[in-house]
Amino acid sequence: KAGVTQTPRYLIKTRGQQVTLSCSPISGHRSVSWYQQTPGQGLQFLFEYFSETQRNKGNFPGRFSGRQFSNSRSEMNVSTLELGDSALYLCASSLVELNTEAFFGQGTRLTVV
Amino acid sequence: AQSVTQLGSHVSVSEGALVLLRCNYSSSVPPYLFWYVQYPNQGLQLLLKYTSAATLVKGINGFEAEFKKSETSFHLTKPSAHMSDAAEYFCAVRMNTGTASKLTFGTGTRLQVTL
Repeated sequence: KAGVTQTPRYLIKTRGQQVTLSCSPISGHRSVSWYQQTPGQGLQFLFEYFSETQRNKGNFPGRFSGRQFSNSRSEMNVSTLELGDSALYLCASSLVELNTEAFFGQGTRLTVV
Repeated sequence: AQSVTQLGSHVSVSEGALVLLRCNYSSSVPPYLFWYVQYPNQGLQLLLKYTSAATLVKGINGFEAEFKKSETSFHLTKPSAHMSDAAEYFCAVRMNTGTASKLTFGTGTRLQVTL
């Protein structure tokens, strides 16, 4: 069965631009979460979507947003990019039960210049 | 609130030596606990998970972890390190109530394996 697919793998953007990242979860998984990984802050939770609804949100500014489609695919958008947004963005999918693990994609490496 | 503390940001062991990576958690209710491994420029791969069944959990690649409630610990061990174990390891906690489905990660431990 195919794993979690994130596109693109690498992205370079200029300050002030916006960016959209995509995540296709494992078939049958309805929960999709997004995490930001940086050397300074480590792995930080951005938000989680379940059945097209945002169920949890981390402590990030409103420039960070996301959505989920009816096929469980998810996108996250970052507007007005800042240098500090440079990071590895990881998407994870899981079943609804809390005792199940999250499966991660390979991530999108975003560099803001 | 839930949290995870990983003691030691860098651990170095010789090939064939015991690997011990420490993780302590804080949670107001019995948590679900996970260990993930990350290789350079890759996502996170699950090593093992604790979900309130057996307290000694065996995972992939010879790793195991023991849940100790009295010590609020979930340390990761492997009897004999291999060069391919060099990577970064993350401990994570998830509360098992309500809709708190997010994972809270520790800061990670980078494991170096030397000849």
